[in-house]
Amino acid sequence: NSKVIQTPRYLVKGQGQKAKMRCIPEKGHPVVFWYQQNKNNEFKFLINFQNQEVLQQIDMTEKRFSAECPSNSPCSLEIQSSEAGDSALYLCASSARDRSSYEQYFGPGTRLTVL
Amino acid sequence: QQQVRQSPQSLTVWEGETAILNCSYEDSTFDYFPWYHQFPGESPALLIAIRPVSNKKEDGRFTIFFNKREKKFSLHIADSQPGDSATYFCAAEAGGSNAKLTFGKGTKLSVKS
Repeated sequence: NSKVIQTPRYLVKGQGQKAKMRCIPEKGHPVVFWYQQNKNNEFKFLINFQNQEVLQQIDMTEKRFSAECPSNSPCSLEIQSSEAGDSALYLCASSARDRSSYEQYFGPGTRLTVL
Repeated sequence: QQQVRQSPQSLTVWEGETAILNCSYEDSTFDYFPWYHQFPGESPALLIAIRPVSNKKEDGRFTIFFNKREKKFSLHIADSQPGDSATYFCAAEAGGSNAKLTFGKGTKLSVKS
């Protein structure tokens, strides 16, 4: 069972509002991923971190999305100005990423609804 | 551009039958292939995974068959149970610095009793 913690489980925002969600990776997992799963069950990779450093990220062209994984604090994903199309399940996953383990374990997700 | 193709979109089998879910990929750099299942209202849970050094991986009733030459892999669920009813996603990852998962579009499995 995954030990990734995500809060809040549900988030409701109006258009233009900020939406912030947090993730605590499984203990001992230095790599954290954020994915978006839309209502059609399609997954979109957003960003990943190793410790506090960004490894990869999509081209967040509108710069509405930002993320960080500060030392000794939860990781976070923030949408600066929510749009209706941002309504989705936001999934955080963590991974040990050692030689024998590529496994990514997902948290319960934050379901964002933008009204 | 969809890099991992999954079929069928939905599948219904009777209890006790073997369910077969299929995936194919294009990117030759992919070297890790997990399967997740997701129940309604929940997040995806890792079921089983394979690296291309093997062409078969078993875990209880779940088996992955992998064909590197044809860039195909499949999940076989033996002795299917109603509790296996869920959406199953295959995925692939290139590893190294390109560690993100690329998912298929999912197969909704229904097991009838």
